[in-house]
Amino acid sequence: SQTIHQWPATLVQPVGSPLSLECTVEGTSNPNLYWYRQAAGRGLQLLFYSVGIGQISSEVPQNLSASRPQDRQFILSSKKLLLSDSGFYLCAWSVRYQETQYFGPGTRLLVL
Amino acid sequence: GNSVTQMEGPVTLSEEAFLTINCTYTATGYPSLFWYVQYPGEGLQLLLKATKADDKGSNKGFEATYRKETTSFHLEKGSVQVSDSAVYFCALRTINQAGTALIFGKGTTLSVSS
Repeated sequence: SQTIHQWPATLVQPVGSPLSLECTVEGTSNPNLYWYRQAAGRGLQLLFYSVGIGQISSEVPQNLSASRPQDRQFILSSKKLLLSDSGFYLCAWSVRYQETQYFGPGTRLLVL
Repeated sequence: GNSVTQMEGPVTLSEEAFLTINCTYTATGYPSLFWYVQYPGEGLQLLLKATKADDKGSNKGFEATYRKETTSFHLEKGSVQVSDSAVYFCALRTINQAGTALIFGKGTTLSVSS
């Protein structure tokens, strides 16, 4: 069966520090991968998606970036965090061209 | 553009009460519709979905019917339990380069007391 992992589960970082969140998927090959952010009082916003290694599409402009160095690994990064980057970050995967997305447990990020 | 609007929460109910969470959408064509649930401290889980007009998705006692004429996908449950306390997200599927992407509503928090 397929599983999706995210780490860390919780992270507290100072403003201006770098960020690296990791997501890995097991039990499937060539998945579509997604990063979402859930900010306090707001809904889920798609940040990035990827259809393959090295292929990243950004949905919204921001100071975050994403990379996919391996087929089942998706990394969310920032060189300098802003207060507004605080939120709950969710990674998801789907089978190519299928509708259902499966979400990881999320990382709660607090930028102080 | 595509969008999802769901009722503002929080919704507070007593155990065994009837639940309705309203969801309406704006989209070109006929998108698939979803309800996801987020239990405290966890990620999102697919609750149910419907892929075409008049389809009814159901799971764990929850139901939602795809109504094309009213562009709605309201979530209902006849008798809620304390364990149903969670945040519920309505979503629609849109097409992008990846072939599938979800647009979510803002979520509705449900709190059920015994």
